[in-house]
Amino acid sequence: DAKTTQPTSMDCAEGRAANLPCNHSTISGNEYVYWYRQIHSQGPQYIIHGLKNNETNEMASLIITEDRKSSTLILPHATLRDTAVYYCIVRSSGTYKYIFGTGTRLKVLA
Amino acid sequence: DAGVTQSPTHLIKTRGQQVTLRCSPKSGHDTVSWYQQALGQGPQFIFQYYEEEERQRGNFPDRFSGHQFPNYSSELNVNALLLGDSALYLCASSLFRGLYGYTFGSGTRLTVV
Repeated sequence: DAKTTQPTSMDCAEGRAANLPCNHSTISGNEYVYWYRQIHSQGPQYIIHGLKNNETNEMASLIITEDRKSSTLILPHATLRDTAVYYCIVRSSGTYKYIFGTGTRLKVLA
Repeated sequence: DAGVTQSPTHLIKTRGQQVTLRCSPKSGHDTVSWYQQALGQGPQFIFQYYEEEERQRGNFPDRFSGHQFPNYSSELNVNALLLGDSALYLCASSLFRGLYGYTFGSGTRLTVV
């Protein structure tokens, strides 16, 4: 399973875009990138996932580099409720378990 | 539409005891996975149940066992509890083994004293 590297923490001003990077330099061709977030005392919440194309949904956008060695989760207009730990996960199509790292603690500032 | 329901929400047990945690998956989901999350750490995969069978297992000892029932609900059993088993236990449900992502419950906080 590929490993991911994320910054330990980030701050973002309310209303601005939050860009959360993730490095997955050992990713292979059949491995998906998933993003989840965990707000204090709750279970992780699915945000978005992708294989090689950029993806967008009502919560966020996922930008995957052409070589697939890194990706960025974009929250277009961060609110205080987006304060959470964000996990970037790489999952092989041959396995169904997630390997979580320690994630990025995002703090949205008023 | 109810999401993933876990019970109990909190539990205190003594070393050496046994515990059973329960999970009801989100409506329409057929797969249940269990994770252990120690304080300040990311969740660690315990195992996954699909079609009432354990399909994949993480690096956990045999003291950790589980079951999935015909209605897709699941139980996690931990025997001979150790202090190190104190953690938040998360249940995640999905359709067909999580290909399209998982829905997590809020977890059971287990404290072993």
